[in-house]
Amino acid sequence: DTGVSQDPRHKITKRGQNVTFRCDPISEHNRLYWYRQTLGQGPEFLTYFQNEAQLEKSRLLSDRFSAERPKGSFSTLEIQRTEQGDSAMYLCASSSLLAGGPHNEQFFGPGTRLTVL
Amino acid sequence: RKEVEQDPGPFNVPEGATVAFNCTYSNSASQSFFWYRQDCRKEPKLLMSVYSSGNEDGRFTAQLNRASQYISLLIRDSKLSDSATYLCAANTGGFKTIFGAGTRLFVKA
Repeated sequence: DTGVSQDPRHKITKRGQNVTFRCDPISEHNRLYWYRQTLGQGPEFLTYFQNEAQLEKSRLLSDRFSAERPKGSFSTLEIQRTEQGDSAMYLCASSSLLAGGPHNEQFFGPGTRLTVL
Repeated sequence: RKEVEQDPGPFNVPEGATVAFNCTYSNSASQSFFWYRQDCRKEPKLLMSVYSSGNEDGRFTAQLNRASQYISLLIRDSKLSDSATYLCAANTGGFKTIFGAGTRLFVKA
């Protein structure tokens, strides 16, 4: 499977715990995005990497959230001291600066569904 | 006002019907537009990209009106399998893509 993969697919945690999600983009894609999606809403942009550089963070991304892409390949999203409001689907997407041209077609992974009790 | 707004839905149509979704965007700098299909509890899947005036792929036609800042998606001869949520998205030419809330479609036999 050469698509975007995410792990874990589901995570249930207690309020106050830390969680970490992983995303493996399509191998030749140099752009990687994290989104959050709640019921009845579209994906909301969280952060963006071009290669290993994190170029933008949404105001939605509080200090409890951190993302890394250390070698420009896979990325991790960590949420510290989780709150019930963090419950959502966390989606990762990737695109290619070259193949996608200026149009930035993004391809999504299956998501990690987080439930904070 | 949201940057990308879609018909609230849901749309309930019989098989074989033609259905149209509308989407408006507020950022006039938006350069490219996308329609994604999202099945329940699944990830969005890219359906069509719209760069110029429009795009057509089989039963699906997307049109762009830059002057009025809206895009539309037309589905002809709808099938039961077309039942899903359709997400509109706009990209300003950089990295940031803004999604609408989606419109739910139910196609019934």
